[in-house]
Formats: sequence, C-alpha cells, structure tokens
Amino acid sequence: KAGVTQTPRYLIKTRGQQVTLSCSPISGHRSVSWYQQTPGQGLQFLFEYFSETQRNKGNFPGRFSGRQFSNSRSEMNVSTLELGDSALYLCASSLQGLQETQYFGPGTRLLVL
Amino acid sequence: GQQVMQIPQYQHVQEGEDFTTYCNSSTTLSNIQWYKQRPGGHPVFLIQLVKSGEVKKQKRLTFQFGEAKKNSSLHITATQTTDVGTYFCAGLKGYGGSQGNLIFGKGTKLSVKP
Repeated sequence: KAGVTQTPRYLIKTRGQQVTLSCSPISGHRSVSWYQQTPGQGLQFLFEYFSETQRNKGNFPGRFSGRQFSNSRSEMNVSTLELGDSALYLCASSLQGLQETQYFGPGTRLLVL
Repeated sequence: GQQVMQIPQYQHVQEGEDFTTYCNSSTTLSNIQWYKQRPGGHPVFLIQLVKSGEVKKQKRLTFQFGEAKKNSSLHITATQTTDVGTYFCAGLKGYGGSQGNLIFGKGTKLSVKP
C-alpha cells in the first residue's frame, strides 16, 4: 500500500496570510490526525478526524482548523499566520483512531516570514 | 497542562553500550506508543503498550509500561549505529471522549559512536 502523503512538502508564507495543507491517508484508514513539530515544543497533537468529523482536539487556538472529506483525505488550515507557526506539520493515519498505530506522512515544512 | 516528561533529552553512547529512555506522566494513560524518528525523517511506530506492567521485546529493544500506567521505558541492548535517531513516547489520554489527546514526550536523541 502507498504510505501517507502530504502536500506541499515545503511552504513559505508571510505573517497574516493563511495556509492550507493536505494529507492523503493510507487506503482504508479512516482516522487522520495532525501534529505540529518544533524544536522547542516537540511534537504536539492538533486534532483528529474520523468519518469527516473532528473527534479529538489538542490545545491549539481556533486559527488552526481542519476538515476531512468522504474519501478520508484531510486538510488543515491555519489562518492569520504568526512567526511562531513555523514548524513541520505532520499528519498521520490509522484504521480507527489514536488508540492504534499512527502512520506518519513526510510532513509539510512551513516557514512564516 | 497535560504533559509526558521524557528523559534524557540527549544520550551519546559508544557502539555496543546499552541505552534507556524514560517517560513519565502525572496522570494515568490509556496506552503508550513509542516512535523513532531518524534525522530528516518522520516518526515511525515501534510498539504500543496497553496493559499495566506490560513488557514487550523486539530483538534488542525492550519496552515496559508501569504498573500504574503512568510511566514507560525503552531499553536498547548493545546499541548499533543504525539505532541513531530520536525516540519518542506518546501517551494516550482521555480517549473515548472528545478530549482524547496523544501527548508526545520531547524525545531522546540518541547518537552512537562507532
């Protein structure tokens, strides 16, 4: 099976802009979760989607949002970008949810200038 | 806030030496997962522990989950240069409700000198 794919792989934005990142899960996986990875804070859970519904949410502001489509593909949106949003954004998929193995994608590296 | 503390942050060993990383949570975890991330790569699942006191082995790797389901450890026997990377634990808290959260430790970066 093909692995988790994320697009784009690299992105440069300026403060105040918004960005949309995309994640295609492994075929058959219904759960997609998103994470932010920074040198200072490490890996932090953003949210999880299952069957087009947000099922779990971490402690991030409302500027971070997401959605999931009927084919399980997911998008994450960050509005009003701040310098501190510069990070590697990883998505992971699993069959049923966070209680199982998370298969991570290669990530999208976002730089906010 | 919810945290999973992981120590040490860095570990430098000579090839052949053993290595251990520890994770500790202030609250009970539903399960704990371990991941390895190579430099420039993404986290790759190693194992999941669910039961209190569980011990699992994968070749030279031994994983333990504490009796109280609050702490866990990963021990590598006789490290090899292929073990280089950052090892993360991830504790699952509150799963079943809308506040489920997979909380990652900050990771232990392992370097192995040949």
